[in-house]
Amino acid sequence: EIVMTQSPATLSVSPGDRATLSCRASQSVSSKLAWYQQKPGQAPRLLIYGASTRATGVPARFSGSGSGTDFTLTISSLRSEDFAVYYCQQYDNWPMYTFGQGTKLEIK
Amino acid sequence: EMQLLESGGGLVQPGGSLRLSCAASGFTFSSYTLTWVRQAPGKGLEWVSGISGSGDRRFYADSVKGRFTISRDSSKNTVYLQMNILRGEDTAVYHCAKDGALGGYMDVWGQGTTVTVS
Repeated sequence: EIVMTQSPATLSVSPGDRATLSCRASQSVSSKLAWYQQKPGQAPRLLIYGASTRATGVPARFSGSGSGTDFTLTISSLRSEDFAVYYCQQYDNWPMYTFGQGTKLEIK
Repeated sequence: EMQLLESGGGLVQPGGSLRLSCAASGFTFSSYTLTWVRQAPGKGLEWVSGISGSGDRRFYADSVKGRFTISRDSSKNTVYLQMNILRGEDTAVYHCAKDGALGGYMDVWGQGTTVTVS
C-alpha cells in the first residue's frame, strides 16, 4: 500500500497570505496526485489532478507542483472561503487509491 | 450536470447488513470507474472499493474485503455497495465518486449517506 503523509496537520495563516501544504508518498506515484478541498458537512471537491492541473472552475490562486514522492499545494492570497481541510490522494495504484490524513487550514 | 446521489444509509446493529446505492446522472455511466470512499466521524477520507466501467474488475480495501461487495447496474445507472457483517468501525459517511476523464482522480462526488453501526 502506498502511504501518503501530509504536513503540517494544521496550518494557521492570515487572509491575504500564502499557504503551502505538503504531501509525501511512501514510493513514487509519478504525477498521479490529486488535491481535494473539504468544508464541514460537504463532499470533497477536486482542486488539482496530475499534480499540477487545476480542475474546472478552480481559481488560479490554487497551484500544485511536484512529482515522484514530494508534492506541494500552494494557495496564494488566501480568501475566507479557502479555510478548510485539504487532502492529497495518489492514483498511481489504480483503483486502490490512498489519501493523506489531511491538513486543516485555519484562520490565524 | 454530472451528479451522484447516494441512499441506503441508516442505523444497523453489529453483524448486520446494509446496501448502499448511488444513482448517477449527466454522464456516460459505463465509461467510468466508480468508487466508494468513507469518512468516519472526525476522521479523514478512506478508499473503500472501486469498480471498473464495464464492471468486470472490482477492488476492495483490506478492511472490508470479504464483507463488502461492489456492483453496478448500467440499466439503472446505479452502483451499489452491499455491506455485510458490519462492525462499529464501519460507522462513517459513505460517498460515491466518479473517476475523471484521465482516470484515478475523482471529479464528481455525492453528498454521502451515513451508516451507523451500533
